[in-house]
Amino acid sequence: DQQVKQNSPSLSVQEGRISILNCDYTNSMFDYFLWYKKYPAEGPTFLISISSIKDKNEDGRFTVFLNKSAKHLSLHIVPSQPGDSAVYFCAASVSNFGNEKLTFGTGTRLTIIP
Amino acid sequence: KAGVTQTPRYLIKTRGQQVTLSCSPISGHRSVSWYQQTPGQGLQFLFEYFSETQRNKGNFPGRFSGRQFSNSRSEMNVSTLELGDSALYLCASSFGGLNYGYTFGSGTRLTVV
Repeated sequence: DQQVKQNSPSLSVQEGRISILNCDYTNSMFDYFLWYKKYPAEGPTFLISISSIKDKNEDGRFTVFLNKSAKHLSLHIVPSQPGDSAVYFCAASVSNFGNEKLTFGTGTRLTIIP
Repeated sequence: KAGVTQTPRYLIKTRGQQVTLSCSPISGHRSVSWYQQTPGQGLQFLFEYFSETQRNKGNFPGRFSGRQFSNSRSEMNVSTLELGDSALYLCASSFGGLNYGYTFGSGTRLTVV
């Protein structure tokens, strides 16, 4: 039972354009969402997060949008750069005073074309 | 400050054997979580330890176990290895949980032959 889904295994975007990565979830108890980026042979690194009390969070070139009614979130990267080529994972959690676990999607491989 | 250190980086084992993986968290972090990454499955939560106590557990068989020591270092053990256990095992440390953020190590790549 995949509670967090990333339906696009891969995405190619021209350098300088916008990259949009999508994520859907099924568990309505999730109230905290994160995006991680992973390069080969390295662990995932945290990019950006959003709490369910918000619908948007920005950090530099990265913006995450949350649509609770649709149980959907997306990550926008503008402008896309070659160094953004990596696998992106979205993750979700239920806040539980520190006793949380992250439920990850299967990842989307983003390739930025120079 | 030093990051999360996982050893060994690569491991090859035979079916039926057992294996122990090690994770040294960032200094001062008391929470250590373990995840399994396989192609097509993403990262799946194994368990989390906080101050030497298992606080949370995922849906893995009892062959997967772990522990945490008083210095917060953690070990994960897999007994009676199966071919399907081949995966990248990632450890993440945190000061106290989600609100403090998780930092991942580079992982241990386990191959079972």
